Amino acid sequence: NAGVTQTPKFRVLKTGQSMTLLCAQDMNHEYMYWYRQDPGMGLRLIHYSVGEGTTAKGEVPDGYNVSRLKKQNFLLGLESAAPSQTSVYFCASRESGRETQYFGPGTRLLVL
Amino acid sequence: KQEVTQIPAALSVPEGENLVLNCSFTDSAIYNLQWFRQDPGKGLTSLLLIQSSQREQTSGRLNASLDKSSGRSTLYIAASQPGDSATYLCAVFRTDKLIFGTGTRLQVFP
Repeated sequence: NAGVTQTPKFRVLKTGQSMTLLCAQDMNHEYMYWYRQDPGMGLRLIHYSVGEGTTAKGEVPDGYNVSRLKKQNFLLGLESAAPSQTSVYFCASRESGRETQYFGPGTRLLVL
Repeated sequence: KQEVTQIPAALSVPEGENLVLNCSFTDSAIYNLQWFRQDPGKGLTSLLLIQSSQREQTSGRLNASLDKSSGRSTLYIAASQPGDSATYLCAVFRTDKLIFGTGTRLQVFP
């Protein structure tokens, strides 16, 4: 099992460009999460999903959109990137009824 | 609003010392508290999970305690080793979501 994988590992964008981050898990987990991690601020929840076809807002959802068309994939989109979105993005998943989350390796995004 | 704070922000100790990392939270209505380890450039690895009804959990040289009434948890690392060098994050779990602290960056030198 690969666990939780994230694509790409690193990306540089110019202000105003768009991109999609892909998270994939092969553990048949119902719940999936997108976080961002900034220096000195820990991880903050952007959006999450409690099952295929569902999404919900987290703590810092503005400027991001998500989709969960397939159970194993959770996409994070930036429609018009801003320098404030420079961060490391982590995806996580967990099984329904269990509280342990499994994290991907992260995507480092730089917006110029 | 739930806030999670970790003290100290950074810690540098010689090998062999016993360590205590602190985590505090403002809202005691939590389902559980979790401790994670994060190595540089990597994702998070779950270390210990304490249910709200429990007082502590142990795994090897790690022991985590939880005092819901005071809004505190401590992670105790016995006989620290250079391989323990990492950032340690605590997080409280409530209503499908984890709320993370800011982390303690630990360096253990030989």
